[in-house]
Amino acid sequence: KAGVTQTPRYLIKTRGQQVTLSCSPISGHRSVSWYQQTPGQGLQFLFEYFSETQRNKGNFPGRFSGRQFSNSRSEMNVSTLELGDSALYLCASSLSEGNTEAFFGQGTRLTVV
Amino acid sequence: GQSLEQPSEVTAVEGAIVQINCTYQTSGFYGLSWYQQHDGGAPTFLSYNGLDGLEETGRFSSFLSRSDSYGYLLLQELQMKDSASYFCAVRPLLSGGYNKLIFGAGTRLAVHP
Repeated sequence: KAGVTQTPRYLIKTRGQQVTLSCSPISGHRSVSWYQQTPGQGLQFLFEYFSETQRNKGNFPGRFSGRQFSNSRSEMNVSTLELGDSALYLCASSLSEGNTEAFFGQGTRLTVV
Repeated sequence: GQSLEQPSEVTAVEGAIVQINCTYQTSGFYGLSWYQQHDGGAPTFLSYNGLDGLEETGRFSSFLSRSDSYGYLLLQELQMKDSASYFCAVRPLLSGGYNKLIFGAGTRLAVHP
């Protein structure tokens, strides 16, 4: 079965712009989490959605937002991009709540110039 | 809050055994997980310890001691393909039973011939 799909794979944006990243979880998975990965900060939790509701939120500014649709696909949006937002954004899906295993997509590499 | 500490780098030779430690300070968590990430790839799940003790999956084993706030990943019969970054992660109790993960900074393992 297909894995977690993230689009686009690479993105270059200018400071001040906004960006929307997409994540399609494994079929049947209802939980989607987003992480930011940078060399300096490692994997940082952004937010988690389950059944279209945000269940947990990380310590990121309000410029970072997300949503989940009824088919479990999720999007995250970053507004007013800053150079420091350059990172690999990873999406992870899990079957339901409280799973021991998360399945990660290949990520979207965002570069802000 | 939660913080997990891992060594930044470990080096070993093919065929050897290596142990990657993870010490943590956390207000409570459901279990300790380990993920592997090759350069340019997605993190992939390796192992989970919900209870204290040893879990074995092929060449990989993982251990958890909640009383010592300590866990480790043991890799046996090292192969060149094991060269990757390894992350420990916890699902905090404060996540409300959902799938939020807090990751350590990762340990880069280099396996040499």
